[in-house]
Amino acid sequence: GENVEQHPSTLSVQEGDSAVIKCTYSDSASNYFPWYKQELGKGSQLIIDIRSNVGEKKDQRIAVTLNKTAKHFSLHITETQPEDSAVYFCAASKPGGYNKLIFGAGTRLAVHP
Amino acid sequence: EPEVTQTPSHQVTQMGQEVILRCVPISNHLYFYWYRQILGQKVEFLVSFYNNEISEKSEIFDDQFSVERPDGSNFTLKIRSTKLEDSAMYFCASSDGKGEAFFGQGTRLTVV
Repeated sequence: GENVEQHPSTLSVQEGDSAVIKCTYSDSASNYFPWYKQELGKGSQLIIDIRSNVGEKKDQRIAVTLNKTAKHFSLHITETQPEDSAVYFCAASKPGGYNKLIFGAGTRLAVHP
Repeated sequence: EPEVTQTPSHQVTQMGQEVILRCVPISNHLYFYWYRQILGQKVEFLVSFYNNEISEKSEIFDDQFSVERPDGSNFTLKIRSTKLEDSAMYFCASSDGKGEAFFGQGTRLTVV
């Protein structure tokens, strides 16, 4: 069935370093890949997304890359700050209006000052 | 910025009781979803809703669960007879069908 694997489960970096979180998906029909940030006690906030017709997308310190052949996509955060500390979830969905999201298990990122 | 709102933020209920979780999706969205996140686990899809009917549901969404859009603005999830294992964060989401889903802040359901 549909599945999204996410690694690592925890990631600890020093402020200013880069952080990379990787996901793989099983369903080759998936064409939309969002990343969500979940802070303690809050809902999930979309931080960046990418569609299958694009290989890379960047928004300030955050970038996402997609390799459709390998069914991999990755989140890159540069110049990390303590406020980047949160749980990050990747997800994938297939075409169609219903757009059910299949989530990865999450990565707990800790940025130490 | 438009947002999805959920109430209550936290609900404590006795096992066997019925609960209704409420959501107000973004006003021009047509697709609505409920997801669940058990503590320490991944976010799981429960159900999608479009055109006043369920479009897809997961195996988690058994006969104890139901969804409704009673008045054209609210979108509710009802659990008929809660079990301890229903304790989780429940997230509502809505979408315009083009991909991006907007999530609410969640309702923490605790079944005791």
